[in-house]
Amino acid sequence: KAGVTQTPRYLIKTRGQQVTLSCSPISGHRSVSWYQQTPGQGLQFLFEYFSETQRNKGNFPGRFSGRQFSNSRSEMNVSTLELGDSALYLCASSLASTPGTSGRRAGETQYFGPGTRLLVL
Amino acid sequence: AQSVTQLGSHVSVSEGALVLLRCNYSSSVPPYLFWYVQYPNQGLQLLLKYTTGATLVKGINGFEAEFKKSETSFHLTKPSAHMSDAAEYFCAVSYSSASKIIFGSGTRLSIRP
Repeated sequence: KAGVTQTPRYLIKTRGQQVTLSCSPISGHRSVSWYQQTPGQGLQFLFEYFSETQRNKGNFPGRFSGRQFSNSRSEMNVSTLELGDSALYLCASSLASTPGTSGRRAGETQYFGPGTRLLVL
Repeated sequence: AQSVTQLGSHVSVSEGALVLLRCNYSSSVPPYLFWYVQYPNQGLQLLLKYTTGATLVKGINGFEAEFKKSETSFHLTKPSAHMSDAAEYFCAVSYSSASKIIFGSGTRLSIRP
């Protein structure tokens, strides 16, 4: 079974531009979470999507947004890029298959993709 | 606030020596605990996790960790380090009340020949 894939792997943008990153979860996985990784702030949770709905959100400005499609694929968008947005953006998927759940259960394993490295100039 | 602390941003051990990476969490509710490893230019890979039950958890690549509630710790160990263990290791915690994971700041493990 293929792992989590993220495209593109590398991206260079300039300040003020916007960017869209894509994540394809493991087949059958229904929950997708996004994280930002920087040397200064470490790994920070952005948001989680399940059944095309945002289930949880971290402390990021509204410039960061995302969505999930009916096939569980997810995209995240960053508008009006700032230099500080330079980071590795990681996507993680989880099965989230328990009936009646509203997303990934707390103890459930997340499987990470290789990330998209974004450089803002 | 719930948090995870990893003591030592960089740990260096000799090949064949014991690996000990420290992780402490702050929480008043039962946590779910994870250790992830990240190799250069790659995503995170789960080494092991604690949810309920046995407090000594065995993971991949010979790693194990013990959940000690009284010490709020979940230290990662490996009896004998291998050169291929050189990577960054992250401890993480989540709680039943929230689906997001809180990561520690990471520990870079170096192996000396």
